[in-house]
Amino acid sequence: GQNIDQPTEMTATEGAIVQINCTYQTSGFNGLFWYQQHAGEAPTFLSYNVLDGLEEKGRFSSFLSRSKGYSYLLLKELQMKDSASYLCAGLDSNYQLIWGAGTKLIIKP
Amino acid sequence: EAQVTQNPRYLITVTGKKLTVTCSQNMNHEYMSWYRQDPGLGLRQIYYSMNVEVTDKGDVPEGYKVSRKEKRNFPLILESPSPNQTSLYFCASSSSGELYNEQFFGPGTRLTVL
Repeated sequence: GQNIDQPTEMTATEGAIVQINCTYQTSGFNGLFWYQQHAGEAPTFLSYNVLDGLEEKGRFSSFLSRSKGYSYLLLKELQMKDSASYLCAGLDSNYQLIWGAGTKLIIKP
Repeated sequence: EAQVTQNPRYLITVTGKKLTVTCSQNMNHEYMSWYRQDPGLGLRQIYYSMNVEVTDKGDVPEGYKVSRKEKRNFPLILESPSPNQTSLYFCASSSSGELYNEQFFGPGTRLTVL
């Protein structure tokens, strides 16, 4: 079956670094997405990885290892506004998105 | 402004009373999709559409209908809503369903069925 696993909740301190992990099992693989979703709002796109390695975008970076079925989202210099849920989604061989349940990130001052 | 709009944003209704949630995008996207989001579960796809007059079932289509008569609109119809359809619904669109492209989401519709 197809499955995306990510931690339910994480807590970090303002100004610190946090890594949110995601493991995936999909029928075929055409890439992995990360979305951010603030409470009560729509998800917004953060990153897409299809090749192994690290992609950096400002304070946010995303890493993919296809051989391990593993990705992580790295957030640096955490700000209070980064408190949100982070959704991992894999794109399968039919180009359908398989979504994880999301990781709720709590930032403490 | 490029956007996906949904109406209504909030709706409380009763079991069995037919309702429609509208979705419209102004980005000329081919691909549109409906999701529901429930606590502890990921986004689950209800229906999707690759283009006008082409719709397909997602993971949880039971109790829902859709239509795609125009490129910009993709309404979600609940013919006879039941309490287990109480959820947060999102419409999304992207420029193509077969290649990588980020999905743009509407603001969500919070539906309560009593």
